[in-house]
Amino acid sequence: GAVVSQHPSRVICKSGTSVKIECRSLDFQATTMFWYRQFPKKSLMLMATSNEGSKATYEQGVEKDKFLINHASLTLSTLTVTSAHPEDSSFYICSALDGSYGYTFGSGTRLTVV
Amino acid sequence: GESVGLHLPTLSVQEGDNSIINCAYSNSASDYFIWYKQESGKGPQFIIDIRSNMDKRQGQRVTVLLNKTVKHLSLQIAATQPGDSAVYFCAENNQAGTALIFGKGTTLSVSS
Repeated sequence: GAVVSQHPSRVICKSGTSVKIECRSLDFQATTMFWYRQFPKKSLMLMATSNEGSKATYEQGVEKDKFLINHASLTLSTLTVTSAHPEDSSFYICSALDGSYGYTFGSGTRLTVV
Repeated sequence: GESVGLHLPTLSVQEGDNSIINCAYSNSASDYFIWYKQESGKGPQFIIDIRSNMDKRQGQRVTVLLNKTVKHLSLQIAATQPGDSAVYFCAENNQAGTALIFGKGTTLSVSS
């Protein structure tokens, strides 16, 4: 089946620094990837839709300058949290869409900003 | 799916019981629905899906029921096991190729 690798699984960074999270489709090409954010004991909230070779589409209320998304290839999308602050601490999850396998999710990244 | 502002409801069952987890969705145009299982610290794991032209679909130990009239989706787990303990989310999609929207989820606790 389809596998999506998300890295790192955990990261701790200092306030003001930037963190990059990678999402890779390992055995299929994903023209579309999605980024979600999840707070403790809450549901997944869609942040943005990422299409290969074009600018990401952000959901209302999501700051595109803070959450930079790059989808440079059919197998890789990255989410960069810029100038991170403690309120950015969260669980970030990516998902890749393929016509054969549907939606496949990564294992998530736990970001803690101190 | 519903607003994500509320805490997740919980369901506690004994091992061997059948579990029913419910979900209400808001978009009548949604035509594809998926149930996911999420264990602590992990990404969502696909359980079963259903399209709007069906009202029931069965998998191994799981059944999904769709009632489009009242916009309600349910997941039935037969002979629930401790390993089924997790958070369960329904997700909906109303246009091919667009993102899944998640419901608020239910925490299932199975005691042996």
